[in-house]
Amino acid sequence: GAGVSQSPSNKVTEKGKDVELRCDPISGHTALYWYRQSLGQGLEFLIYFQGNSAPDKSGLPSDRFSAERTGGSVSTLTIQRTQQEDSAVYLCASSLGGLAGREQYFGPGTRLTVT
Amino acid sequence: GQQVMQIPQYQHVQEGEDFTTYCNSSTTLSNIQWYKQRPGGHPVFLIQLVKSGEVKKQKRLTFQFGEAKKNSSLHITATQTTDVGTYFCAVIRGGSEKLVFGKGTKLTVNP
Repeated sequence: GAGVSQSPSNKVTEKGKDVELRCDPISGHTALYWYRQSLGQGLEFLIYFQGNSAPDKSGLPSDRFSAERTGGSVSTLTIQRTQQEDSAVYLCASSLGGLAGREQYFGPGTRLTVT
Repeated sequence: GQQVMQIPQYQHVQEGEDFTTYCNSSTTLSNIQWYKQRPGGHPVFLIQLVKSGEVKKQKRLTFQFGEAKKNSSLHITATQTTDVGTYFCAVIRGGSEKLVFGKGTKLTVNP
C-alpha cells in the first residue's frame, strides 16, 4: 500500500517568505507527527495530532510555525516569515495511534532551504 | 522530561567487525523503539521492545532491553556496508504519547 507522502520534496525560499509543507499520512492512521532534522542532527519533535484531540504543539520553536490537520488526514505545516535557521528537512510520520508505542512510518521529507 | 542518552555518537568499523549502540535513561521506560536512517533517507522502524530483559533478533541484529527497563542496546554482528546509516532509539515521553528520539549513532563501515 501507499506510504506517507510529503510535498514538495524540495523547497527553496527567500528569507521572509511563508511556506507550506504538506503531509499525506497512511490511510487509517490516526496519529500524525511533524519533526525537523537539521543536517547531520537528530529528530526534533514539532507537533503531534491524534484523532480529534487537540494537537500537542509543545515542540513548535516559535509562533511563526503552525500546523493543521484537516479531516483527520492531510496535514499542512506552515512557516511564516522564514528565517535561515529554518533550513532543515521536515519529516512527517504517521502511526495507528491510540496506544503509546505504535511504530511510526516516516515520509521522505521536505528539504527546506531559506536563502 | 523523559530523555535518552545515546552513545556513541559516531562509530567507524571495518566490514566484518561488530557494532553496538546504547540508549540510556534515568527513568524507567515503558518501551523503546529502534529506527535506522540510511544516508539521504528517512527513519525506518526496526523494532519495539516492551518487556524487562527482552532480547529480540533480526538476522545479524540483536536488540536488548535492560532488566530495569532503563537501557537498551542494538548489536550488529559482522557488519556489512549495507548497515551504514544512523541508528536512533526512541522512547515514549512521560505523560504523553509522543516519541522522544535519541541523538542517534552514525555508523560507517569501511569495506
